[in-house]
Amino acid sequence: AQKVTQTQTSISVVEKTTVTMDCVYETRDSSYFLFWYKQTASGEIVFLIRQDSYKKENATVGHYSLNFQKPKSSIGLIITATQIEDSAVYFCAMRERVGDNSKLIWGLGTSLVVNP
Amino acid sequence: GALVYQYPRRTICKSGTSMRMECQAVGFQATSVAWYRQSPQKTFELIALSTVNSAIKYEQNFTQEKFPISHPNLSFSSMTVLNAYLEDRGLYLCGARDSQGAGNTLYFGEGSRLIVV
Repeated sequence: AQKVTQTQTSISVVEKTTVTMDCVYETRDSSYFLFWYKQTASGEIVFLIRQDSYKKENATVGHYSLNFQKPKSSIGLIITATQIEDSAVYFCAMRERVGDNSKLIWGLGTSLVVNP
Repeated sequence: GALVYQYPRRTICKSGTSMRMECQAVGFQATSVAWYRQSPQKTFELIALSTVNSAIKYEQNFTQEKFPISHPNLSFSSMTVLNAYLEDRGLYLCGARDSQGAGNTLYFGEGSRLIVV
């Protein structure tokens, strides 16, 4: 069965440092998509970054990057130079390529607090 | 960029009444819309998947009779929660998939929060 696991419930860091959030997934499909979203205090879900399973290069967008370790079914999110505004709940999600393209399997989220 | 607007942002309704929420995709064509509910415990439940010109597919435990959805064009979808009760409370999120460009990404908005009293 498809499953996404985020073991870190919450993380607290000092601003301008680097933080890594873990995510492991389970899937039987050979082709799939992995996403990281963040949810702000207002409830808004913001798409951050995506990794396509067939791509070997780690995705990078702004100060977000991914550590994709396919043999370990792991897709960690790295945020460099954290800012106070990065405080949010971060969700890892997966979608398999076959079947319905819109159905996401979500992790339970990791709460990030960035302190001054 | 791809933006999704949802309204109303928050509704307080009496038990047994209904709430309609709307989802607007701006800057892209949303051929597929997924409606989710996020529980107070932050878990996500998929309610239904709607694709323009196709039948709406409801997940187990969710029905058209309870959550009727309309998806008349590539920029708009709406869903109603009929006869809302306490167990229906939560944050309802519309995820719209861009048919072009990054077609595999779902974009969300701020959600519509339902409070039932």
